[in-house]
Order: sequence, then C-alpha cells, then structure tokens
Amino acid sequence: KAGVTQTPRYLIKTRGQQVTLSCSPISGHRSVSWYQQTPGQGLQFLFEYFSETQRNKGNFPGRFSGRQFSNSRSEMNVSTLELGDSALYLCASSRYSGGTILYWDTQYFGPGTRLTVL
Amino acid sequence: KQEVTQIPAALSVPEGENLVLNCSFTDSAIYNLQWFRQDPGKGLTSLLLIQSSQREQTSGRLNASLDKSSGRSTLYIAASQPGDSATYLCAVPNSGGSNYKLTFGKGTLLTVNP
Repeated sequence: KAGVTQTPRYLIKTRGQQVTLSCSPISGHRSVSWYQQTPGQGLQFLFEYFSETQRNKGNFPGRFSGRQFSNSRSEMNVSTLELGDSALYLCASSRYSGGTILYWDTQYFGPGTRLTVL
Repeated sequence: KQEVTQIPAALSVPEGENLVLNCSFTDSAIYNLQWFRQDPGKGLTSLLLIQSSQREQTSGRLNASLDKSSGRSTLYIAASQPGDSATYLCAVPNSGGSNYKLTFGKGTLLTVNP
C-alpha cells in the first residue's frame, strides 16, 4: 500500500509569489491534514479536510488556503509569500471512523515539502 | 488550550543503554496519544498510538505508557542503537471530540553514540 505522497519535495520562491503544494493520501483515507514545521514554532496545525470540506483551521492568516478533491487528494496554497513562510509543510492522512470522534486512527505523514522563501 | 511538553529537549546516550522520553499534556480529556519519530529533514513516522482506555503499547524495543490522570506519557526504548538517533515527538488530538487536529510537543532529539 503506497504511503502519503507530497509534491514537490523542494521549492524555492521569492517574497510576494504564491505557491501550491500537493498531497495524495493513502488509498481509502478520506481525512487530510496539513501542518507547518519550523525550528522556532515546531509543528503547527494548518487545516484539515474531509469529503472536500474544511472541518478545522488553525491560527494562520488567510494567505494560507487549501482544498480537497473528490479523490481525497488535497492542495494547499500560500499567496503573497513572506520570509517567515519558509518551513517544512507536512501532510497527513487518516481513516475516518464515523460520527463524533470517539476513536481516532493513526495519522500517517508524508515526507513533506521543503519551502524556502528568498 | 492543550499544551504538550517534552523533556528533555535533547538526550545523548551510549549504544545499548535503556532510556525514557517524557511527554506531558495539560488537558487530560484526550482520546489517544501518539508517538512519532522524525529523521532530519524527513516526515514523521508513527511509532505507537495509545488509546485513552489503554495504559501501555509495545512495539519491539519500544514501550509507551499513558497516565491520563496525571497528564503524562513515557516512551521507553530498550537497548538503544545508533539507528534510533532521531527526534521523537508526542502528539494528542485536540480536546472537544469533533476536531481533527494534533497538538505536538517540541520533541526530544535523541543521539545514540556507537
């Protein structure tokens, strides 16, 4: 079974540009989450999608957005890039166990996309 | 707001030593706790997930325990090897039941010296 894949693996952009990152979850997984990892802040939750709907959003500015497609693949977009957006962006997928969460399956993470903003 | 703390921030041990990594969380109303490993510049690999009703989970040389009432979890690594060198992170789901969000600790950087 293939794991979570993320493309591209590395990106170099300049301030003011925009970027789109892609994530393909494990087959059968319908929940996709995005995290930003920086040395100073550690891992921070960006947002989570299930069935093409954003269910949760972290404390990030509106420049950060995402979407999920009917095949559960997800993209995140960052507009008007700032130097502080340089980070490792990780995507995770998990199965959905239905209803109000009483049981939460393991989160499986992709290798990440390393974004450098110059 | 859930906060997760990991102690120590870094640990260096000789090969073969048994060691314990600590994780504490402020809100004990968790559904589970997950331990991850991260190699430099790489993604996260799930090691163990402990459901709130469990006390321990074991996988090979790894043993994780959970004490919800005290807000603590430990990851025990037996007979450490140089290949165990990595950053170890613990994470808990956001409290509230319907949120799909993990709150992570800052991690423990483990170095196992040959």
